[in-house]
Amino acid sequence: DTAVSQTPKYLVTQMGNDKSIKCEQNLGHDTMYWYKQDSKKFLKIMFSYNNKELIINETVPNRFSPKSPDKAHLNLHINSLELGDSAVYFCASSQIRGRNTGELFFGEGSRLTVL
Amino acid sequence: GQQLNQSPQSMFIQEGEDVSMNCTSSSIFNTWLWYKQDPGEGPVLLIALYKAGELTSNGRLTAQFGITRKDSFLNISASIPSDVGIYFCAGHPSGNTPLVFGKGTRLSVIA
Repeated sequence: DTAVSQTPKYLVTQMGNDKSIKCEQNLGHDTMYWYKQDSKKFLKIMFSYNNKELIINETVPNRFSPKSPDKAHLNLHINSLELGDSAVYFCASSQIRGRNTGELFFGEGSRLTVL
Repeated sequence: GQQLNQSPQSMFIQEGEDVSMNCTSSSIFNTWLWYKQDPGEGPVLLIALYKAGELTSNGRLTAQFGITRKDSFLNISASIPSDVGIYFCAGHPSGNTPLVFGKGTRLSVIA
């Protein structure tokens, strides 16, 4: 069983379209994340949810809307896709340890290509 | 925001050689984590360090949490072709919860 699974793995779409990426974790963790990895491989946090509540929202355009129906799922919906949205999006989960977010476990990534 | 300086950016080594990479920060970190990312995959946790001075091994990998709490290194001994990938350091800044990532070290191993 995959611990953190995200779908789809590849997504090719036209500018202006709306798309969603789904993520599920079976580790029993209380916190989930979305990271964006650009072409230079920099990993940048976008959002973090703890027990379905948004706790981190970095400077991300409001075209990106995360949704957490329960603590095992965190989906990412993107409206009006732009060329610059092309990247690999990683879902991750962790268990909060005190004031730290704990060790993150990542999914395999979803490569989004906007044409 | 917090930044981690990871070096080197890339390395080309011969199979069998030892490898060393490190991360530094201008501020104190509470934990240090080292991840490896294979092509087309997500980062995988290699080693987690929680106390200043801690030295931890995982097979041929050894990592240390610097005494000053502002740095960490990762060593790989007797490299093999499957060590190829991008290695990321990450850490929790003191007083903050978000995990900060370094920019990665891209390792290439020549057989």
